[in-house]
Amino acid sequence: EIVLTQSPGTLSLSPGERATLSCRASQSVSSRYLAWYQQKPGQAPRLLIYGAASRATGIPDRFSGSGSGTDFTLTISRLAPEDFAVYYCQQYGSSPVTFGQGTRLEIK
Amino acid sequence: QLQLQESGPGLVKPSETLSLTCTVSGGSISSSNYYWGWIRQPPGKGLEWIGSIYYSGSTYYNPSLKSRVTISVDTSKNQFSLKLSSVTAADTAVYFCARQGVVAVSYSDYWGQGTLVTVSS
Repeated sequence: EIVLTQSPGTLSLSPGERATLSCRASQSVSSRYLAWYQQKPGQAPRLLIYGAASRATGIPDRFSGSGSGTDFTLTISRLAPEDFAVYYCQQYGSSPVTFGQGTRLEIK
Repeated sequence: QLQLQESGPGLVKPSETLSLTCTVSGGSISSSNYYWGWIRQPPGKGLEWIGSIYYSGSTYYNPSLKSRVTISVDTSKNQFSLKLSSVTAADTAVYFCARQGVVAVSYSDYWGQGTLVTVSS
């Protein structure tokens, strides 16, 4: 199975700053089948990005995804107070679907 | 608006079978071309895909759990269900049901709120 490693484990930033989250795969993710989710305490994950770069319905354009092969990035251009949460990447290019261990984005 | 809701016992004894049901509202399981899946999250940890089912009954399971997992669908009730046998404390987790894409291996765009299942005697 494909192992996803996210970095950093924790990212401390201030509102208005730019956040860059990384997801590295143990082998190439076919057809850029990589998604990103946001999860807040006590809530289900929320789909942000699919196909590595396509925003899900209703997701603000400050969220963007990029990458291919084994290296993917989620960028939040200007952090809003509600963006502080845990972010997970997920690959669905091969079975089984696997998730990264998460990056916690906290207020500095 | 599509909504999913998990239901089932919150406490299961070791070696017994965990059983959960996901009720879908705001859309029909059988009229769409989506797969429906289960994902779990141990307390304070990451996400693990358990498996998926199509309304026709075709299933796909995570190999790590395949020997213990059964996912079924009841289109008349617009529900799908999860059974996980021979549970241990390691199966304690929040269990989410979710809508997946038009293929079995896909992202999830609609999620239930999740239900905590604790395995303990």
